[in-house]
Amino acid sequence: AQSVAQPEDQVNVAEGNPLTVKCTYSVSGNPYLFWYVQYPNRGLQFLLKYITGDNLVKGSYGFEAEFNKSQTSFHLKKPSALVSDSALYFCAVRDFSSGAGSYQLTFGKGTKLSVIP
Amino acid sequence: DSGVTQTPKHLITATGQRVTLRCSPRSGDLSVYWYQQSLDQGLQFLIQYYNGEERAKGNILERFSAQQFPDLHSELNLSSLELGDSALYFCASSVFELPDTQYFGPGTRLTVL
Repeated sequence: AQSVAQPEDQVNVAEGNPLTVKCTYSVSGNPYLFWYVQYPNRGLQFLLKYITGDNLVKGSYGFEAEFNKSQTSFHLKKPSALVSDSALYFCAVRDFSSGAGSYQLTFGKGTKLSVIP
Repeated sequence: DSGVTQTPKHLITATGQRVTLRCSPRSGDLSVYWYQQSLDQGLQFLIQYYNGEERAKGNILERFSAQQFPDLHSELNLSSLELGDSALYFCASSVFELPDTQYFGPGTRLTVL
């Protein structure tokens, strides 16, 4: 079975500092990984995804994520945090191998990011 | 704005009642997904339709059902409602049958009293 873990329920960071939101995954085949952001009272918005290729993926709003196969991680990063980045962040995974694992995306429980002015 | 619309935004009802949530996918998207988001369970996949046919089922209760119509909009029907069904219900859509980038609607907040 595939699974996603976001080990931190909450991350606090000062405005202007770099931020990292952690995600680790488990799939039997090759992972297809996503990051989504949810602002209060809004639906989830797609930030970025990794299928194959460069381990560093760039996405919307200056976010990027680093895929690390050996550590089965896909951490979300941003060099300089903004107050407006404060939101709930979700990591999701699907097994990319045809016929392997679950057919659907499995989401983590989310990490609340608070950027302090 | 993702292009996915959901109605209504809020719904307050009583236990034992039945409600219908509606979703219109982005133009050109053939897949529709339904999710339930609650504080204790997180984001749970309920069901997927692709071009009018059911494709996958997740943690969907027997009291819940869904369908996708020829114009590709979808409805999620929740019946015999219980207090524990209170949650945010999201619809998402994508182009392909296999789950790819999904675009989420703003959600319907259901409160069961």
